[in-house]
Amino acid sequence: AQSVTQLDSHVSVSEGTPVLLRCNYSSSYSPSLFWYVQHPNKGLQLLLKYTSAATLVKGINGFEAEFKKSETSFHLTKPSAHMSDAAEYFCVVSELGRGNEKLTFGTGTRLTIIP
Amino acid sequence: GAGVSQTPSNKVTEKGKYVELRCDPISGHTALYWYRQSLGQGPEFLIYFQGTGAADDSGLPNDRFFAVRPEGSVSTLKIQRTERGDSAVYLCASSQRTGITEAFFGQGTRLTVV
Repeated sequence: AQSVTQLDSHVSVSEGTPVLLRCNYSSSYSPSLFWYVQHPNKGLQLLLKYTSAATLVKGINGFEAEFKKSETSFHLTKPSAHMSDAAEYFCVVSELGRGNEKLTFGTGTRLTIIP
Repeated sequence: GAGVSQTPSNKVTEKGKYVELRCDPISGHTALYWYRQSLGQGPEFLIYFQGTGAADDSGLPNDRFFAVRPEGSVSTLKIQRTERGDSAVYLCASSQRTGITEAFFGQGTRLTVV
């Protein structure tokens, strides 16, 4: 079975400071991992994905994430927060290509940016 | 179309009534997913189609929930005898093929059962 745990339900950072959103995963296989963002009253948007290529993955809007198998982690980072980054972020795991196509979402982390 | 389209955007229904929620995926996408998102929670998997057939319906909570995709494009999620606990945002997503590819989500249908 696959699952993800997002370690923080809320994160607040000041504008211009680094962002760290933590995610740990569990999977019986080498997983595919994703981060999605959900702005208020908008649909889910893919930020980045890891699919067993490079362990450091770069996404849109300056976000990146590093896959660490030894720590079963896939934390999302950004060097400098912007007001427009305020949203809900979801870490997602899948065992795509192994007969299990569904995406399993974490419970989400709400990111607040302090002006 | 340009993206995944879900209709209606909002639906209010009385307890016990039947509802249908529609999803128009991106043209050419063979895989289609339904998720349910309750307030303050992450999306919860309901069912996944590959073409016309349901490849995985393990997330449907009970036999009041049913989904179809008769021509391999538009899908309809059907809920019978609605209950207040069914109130949530129902999300649809599509992807170009199975395997390691991006799923594109619609804006969702907010269902409220009163």
